[in-house]
Amino acid sequence: QSALTQPRSVSGSPGQSVTISCTGTSSDVGGYIYVSWYQQYPGKAPKLVIYDVYKRPSGVPDRFSGSKSGNTASLTVSGLQAEDEADYFCCSYAGTYTWVFGGGTKLTVL
Amino acid sequence: EVQLLESGGGLAQPGGSLRLSCGASGFTFSSFSSFAMSWVRQAPGKGLEWVSSITTSGDGTFYADSVKGRFTISRDNSKNTLYLQMNSLRAEDTAVYYCAKTLYSSGWSSFDYWGLGARVTVSA
Repeated sequence: QSALTQPRSVSGSPGQSVTISCTGTSSDVGGYIYVSWYQQYPGKAPKLVIYDVYKRPSGVPDRFSGSKSGNTASLTVSGLQAEDEADYFCCSYAGTYTWVFGGGTKLTVL
Repeated sequence: EVQLLESGGGLAQPGGSLRLSCGASGFTFSSFSSFAMSWVRQAPGKGLEWVSSITTSGDGTFYADSVKGRFTISRDNSKNTLYLQMNSLRAEDTAVYYCAKTLYSSGWSSFDYWGLGARVTVSA
């Protein structure tokens, strides 16, 4: 149950796009379609923004998109807005009702 | 809309015990008993860590290695409530504990609703 690997921070200017990577193994990210991403503001609960690699829950802007290649998943935020500044965590199903999270990435909007 | 509210957090001594509860409400097209539920924690300034999950009926329970043998997850579907009994607490169990509804897509995939969290501090 080793944590997934994410960059500690990424940044971009308003209107630009940023991509956050999430690297695991064939036992988690590479082995299942159940990769999800969560947005968290300081002191608040996480919010699901992407599930099943690329699906968006109702109410999440289409500026958020997800993808996966091999053992690495990615979250792309397009048309950056100030409100997108937050921590983002990836998560993967790892079999038999177990999940593993990434260490988190701080997105800064310059 | 689904609402989850944790309670029972607080200060415990190393080796001590605490029991967290999570009350669920707002299920309009289904019931609490239709969903697997989970606990996820976040140590101060750290990332999220999956802790435990339980199947819809409660007959299947699953734990992270870090808590296996010390924590017990359970649920009472008649009360729409999820529990986490935490024994033999350690300083490294200090965290905010979130209960989360597990989303079912083509399988149990992710966590689509989260509670506000319960803070647990383990210190002498």
